[in-house]
Amino acid sequence: NAGVTQTPKFQVLKTGQSMTLQCAQDMNHNSMYWYRQDPGMGLRLIYYSASEGTTDKGEVPNGYNVSRLNKREFSLRLESAAPSQTSVYFCASSEPGVSGSPLHFGNGTRLTVT
Amino acid sequence: AQTVTQSQPEMSVQEAETVTLSCTYDTSESDYYLFWYKQPPSRQMILVIRQEAYKQQNATENRFSVNFQKAAKSFSLKISDSQLGDAAMYFCAYSNMNRDDKIIFGKGTRLHILP
Repeated sequence: NAGVTQTPKFQVLKTGQSMTLQCAQDMNHNSMYWYRQDPGMGLRLIYYSASEGTTDKGEVPNGYNVSRLNKREFSLRLESAAPSQTSVYFCASSEPGVSGSPLHFGNGTRLTVT
Repeated sequence: AQTVTQSQPEMSVQEAETVTLSCTYDTSESDYYLFWYKQPPSRQMILVIRQEAYKQQNATENRFSVNFQKAAKSFSLKISDSQLGDAAMYFCAYSNMNRDDKIIFGKGTRLHILP
C-alpha cells in the first residue's frame, strides 16, 4: 500500500549542480503534481500533469523541468540549482472529478542548495 | 483565477478547548471542492476533511467539522476537544471539478496546543 513514493528524502546541492527528484504512484491516478513549500508561503504549484503525456506550468515553474514518463511516474529536474530553490518539495497525485478526489502526497524532499 | 486566503498565520488553544481556523476563497465557479490538510512536524500531508460545494450540509469527521458559507466564500475548520496531537500546520485548499484543474492552497495556519 505504497501510495506516492518520492525520492530522495534529503539532498544537498551546490549552486549550479543538477538533480532529478523522482515520484511514482500506484493508485492509477491521472493527475500528478509537484509543489514546493517555503515558510510563510504555503504550497506553491511548480508543474502539474493532468494525464500521461501532458504537463503544464504552475505558479512557480522557472528553473524546473518535468517529465511524465508514464502514468505512474512524474519527475522534477533542476538543471542548475540556485540557493532560491532551497525548499521542501512534495509530489502528489489525484483523480479529479472522482468524488472530489483529494491529493495524495509523498513524504517530501528537503533540498538545500548552498 | 482562484485564490485561497488563510488570515491567521498562527493560533494557540488550550488542550481540550475548541478552536476555529479561518479560510476564505475566491472563485467564479459554482461547483468545486474544499479541503483542509494537516501537516504535523513529520512533514506528512494528511487530509482532514473535505466539502463539496453543492452540499449544504457541513462536513464532519470526528472532532473536526467545517462551517461552509458558500455565499460568503468562507470555509472554516473547527477542532473540538483539542489534543496535543492536533498541533500542526493546517492548510485550506480549493479544487475545481474539472479534470484538468489544479488544487490551490492557502499559506497555512500553525496551530499550537497548550497543555
